[in-house]
Amino acid sequence: AQSVTQLDSQVPVFEEAPVELRCNYSSSVSVYLFWYVQYPNQGLQLLLKYLSGSTLVESINGFEAEFNKSQTSFHLRKPSVHISDTAEYFCAVSRGSTLGRLYFGRGTQLTVWP
Amino acid sequence: DVKVTQSSRYLVKRTGEKVFLECVQDMDHENMFWYRQDPGLGLRLIYFSYDVKMKEKGDIPEGYSVSREKKERFSLILESASTNQTSMYLCASSPHTGLAGTDEQYFGPGTRLTVT
Repeated sequence: AQSVTQLDSQVPVFEEAPVELRCNYSSSVSVYLFWYVQYPNQGLQLLLKYLSGSTLVESINGFEAEFNKSQTSFHLRKPSVHISDTAEYFCAVSRGSTLGRLYFGRGTQLTVWP
Repeated sequence: DVKVTQSSRYLVKRTGEKVFLECVQDMDHENMFWYRQDPGLGLRLIYFSYDVKMKEKGDIPEGYSVSREKKERFSLILESASTNQTSMYLCASSPHTGLAGTDEQYFGPGTRLTVT
């Protein structure tokens, strides 16, 4: 089975500070990588994904993530956070052969303070 | 826009009751999923379905069953609700296009179930 580790359960930061949310996965085969975000009282929505090609992927609201195959990591970063980025963030991994199944990490609660 | 709807946002049931959670998607997706979300444990897959009448167990199927009689609808059934099934339940759907595993999942808003 896949294993996805999000190293920090809670990350508090001040507004306009940079942030990194860490994600590591265990796999000996090719995987596809996703970050989802869950705002309070809502379901999850896709933030960004890596399928192939450039190892740096970006979202429309300023987040980026870099696929590092040698370190089996897919960390999420943003150079300057806003209060509206306060949410829970989930890293997820898919193997191509599992009918669309995703394996999720336990989540990181990002709280941005004014 | 893809829309995944769940029948209730909040539900309170008594121990031993049979509970039905309904999920409907409007984008003709092949795959549908039921997760439960608990603080500190993230999302855990209960069951998923890749076609009508087809189902696969996830990581925590015990105490649950599912039904998919129509493509757009995926039901989660708690045969005899227990207090340890108090949780947030999330439904999701995804298409099956191109290479399996590359498509995003679209989530409903969740049902917060309390079993007393």
